[in-house]
Amino acid sequence: EAGVAQSPRYKIIEKRQSVAFWCNPISGHATLYWYQQILGQGPKLLIQFQNNGVVDDSQLPKDRFSAERLKGVDSTLKIQPAKLEDSAVYLCASSLDLAGHEQYFGPGTRLTVT
Amino acid sequence: ELKVEQNPLFLSMQEGKNYTIYCNYSTTSDRLYWYRQDPGKSLESLFVLLSNGAVKQEGRLMASLDTKARLSTLHITAAVHDLSATYFCAVDNSNSGYALNFGKGTSLLVTP
Repeated sequence: EAGVAQSPRYKIIEKRQSVAFWCNPISGHATLYWYQQILGQGPKLLIQFQNNGVVDDSQLPKDRFSAERLKGVDSTLKIQPAKLEDSAVYLCASSLDLAGHEQYFGPGTRLTVT
Repeated sequence: ELKVEQNPLFLSMQEGKNYTIYCNYSTTSDRLYWYRQDPGKSLESLFVLLSNGAVKQEGRLMASLDTKARLSTLHITAAVHDLSATYFCAVDNSNSGYALNFGKGTSLLVTP
């Protein structure tokens, strides 16, 4: 079974530029999560989707971050404009459904904002 | 807000020694997870603990859960260098859509 796929794996941009990350969850998984992991910290939830609907985006900085999962499968996370403090690893995870099924994590995208 | 605290945050131990990592959480949770993360890598699931008194073991690692004390432990027996990594505990809660709340992680270094 293929795991969670993410691209790109690495990205370096200058502040005020925009960037987009892509995630393809495990086939059949209805729930998709985006987490931000700043160096030396645990991952923090940014947004959670159930199919193509948003379950929780309370910790998403909506002035600069946006995310979508239009067809309930792949998802994109965008940052525009990026700030230095956005430098982090962005992890995508998926689970079979909302009801407490185990989450499987992708390899992450390491973003460096200079 | 569900808070998760781990200690210690850094741990250097000799091969062959035993040690325990502690994870406290602030409110009732549905499940407790332990993950391992190697440098530059993603999260690898180690254990999922579902109920009070749950104990799971895999190789030199054993995890336990006390829901009354809101405490989980990850015990390392006879450490080997391959166990060097960062270990995270995380909890989920139905009130937050089962999203994971992570601790800050314990960075473990096993030395000869």
